Parts: sequence; C-alpha cells; structure tokens
Amino acid sequence: GQNIDQPTEMTATEGAIVQINCTYQTSGFNGLFWYQQHAGEAPTFLSYNVLDGLEEKGRFSSFLSRSKGYSYLLLKELQMKDSASYLCAPMDSNYQLIWGAGTKLIIKP
Amino acid sequence: GAVVSQHPSRVICKSGTSVKIECRSLDFQATTMFWYRQFPKKSLMLMATSNEGSKATYEQGVEKDKFLINHASLTLSTLTVTSAHPEDSSFYICSARDPGQGDTEAFFGQGTRLTVV
Repeated sequence: GQNIDQPTEMTATEGAIVQINCTYQTSGFNGLFWYQQHAGEAPTFLSYNVLDGLEEKGRFSSFLSRSKGYSYLLLKELQMKDSASYLCAPMDSNYQLIWGAGTKLIIKP
Repeated sequence: GAVVSQHPSRVICKSGTSVKIECRSLDFQATTMFWYRQFPKKSLMLMATSNEGSKATYEQGVEKDKFLINHASLTLSTLTVTSAHPEDSSFYICSARDPGQGDTEAFFGQGTRLTVV
C-alpha cells in the first residue's frame, strides 16, 4: 500500500532551525513535494525533489533519498509566520499526489 | 506560478439544498483538475479527478451522484454538492497542474469552507 509517515506535531523557537522528516512508501515514484498549509487555507507549494540530494530555496531546504524512501524539510531562521502544517506529498507512478496528515509546526517566541 | 481561483471561499446552506463550487485556472489550460476534501487536522482526501470533456474519475467511497463534477472547458471545473447534509460540511479544495510548467506541481485554489445547517 501507499503510506506517508510524518510527526504529528513539532515545536520550535523563533530564530532556530527545525527539520521535519517524512518517510514514504508509494507505488512508483515521480518526485516528492512539500507544501505549507495555514489553518483554514489551501496548501501552498514549497519544494519539489525528484533527484537525490538537497534543494535549497531561501530559508527552506528539502532533501530526498529515493533509496531510503525518505525526505526532510529544513526551516532556518524560524519566524512566527512559519507556524503552519507542513505536508509531505510524494507522487506515485500515476502522477497522483499521496497525502499524509502533515506536521503541525508550532513556533514559540 | 500558475493561478487557480476557487469560488466561493465560504458558503452556508440549508440541509437538502445544493451548492456549486467553481474552480478556474486563470492563466493556463488545465485538462485535469483534482477535487479534495479536508476534515480538521486531517490530510487532504482526493475525491475525484476531473477530466475536460469527459466524465470525472471518482475515488472509492465517493458518491458520484452526490458530488457532481463537470469539467466543461479547459479552464473551469465545478463541484456540486447535491442534497447537502450537515456531514457534508467540510473544506473543499481544487487543484490543477499546468502542462506548460512540467505538469507536476499542483496549484491549489483558495478552498471553500462549506457549512450545512
């Protein structure tokens, strides 16, 4: 079957760094997305990885290891506005996104 | 990035009535759009894949007669919740991919908060 595993909730301090891990099992693989979703809003795109390695984009970086079925999202210099849910979504062989429940990130001053 | 517009953002309706939600791709043509439902603190649940000019493909357990999907043009898909009940209250989100941008990233509409009273 297809499965996504992320921590349910994480807490971090403003200005710090946090890493959100994601392990996945899918039928085929066509890349992995990370989305940010604030409460009551639709998800917004953060990153897309299809090759192994680290992709850096400003304060956010995403890493992928296809052989391990593992990805992480790294957030640096945390700001209060980063409080949100972060969704790891791999794409299967049919190009369908597989969604987990996401990780709720709480930023404290 | 591409823009997907969803309307309305919020709607309250009475039990037994029908509600139509529109999803438009504003600056690209979307042959395929996706409709999701999300319960509080839960993951996005794919309801159906909307294909332009043909019938939608519904996920298992989703009643196609209750959730009518029409994709009449390359820029518009509609979801109609028929004979709404309070248990249909949820957050509905559409998304589409832009073939001109590699057809991988999913662009989301703003979502529709439906409350059935």
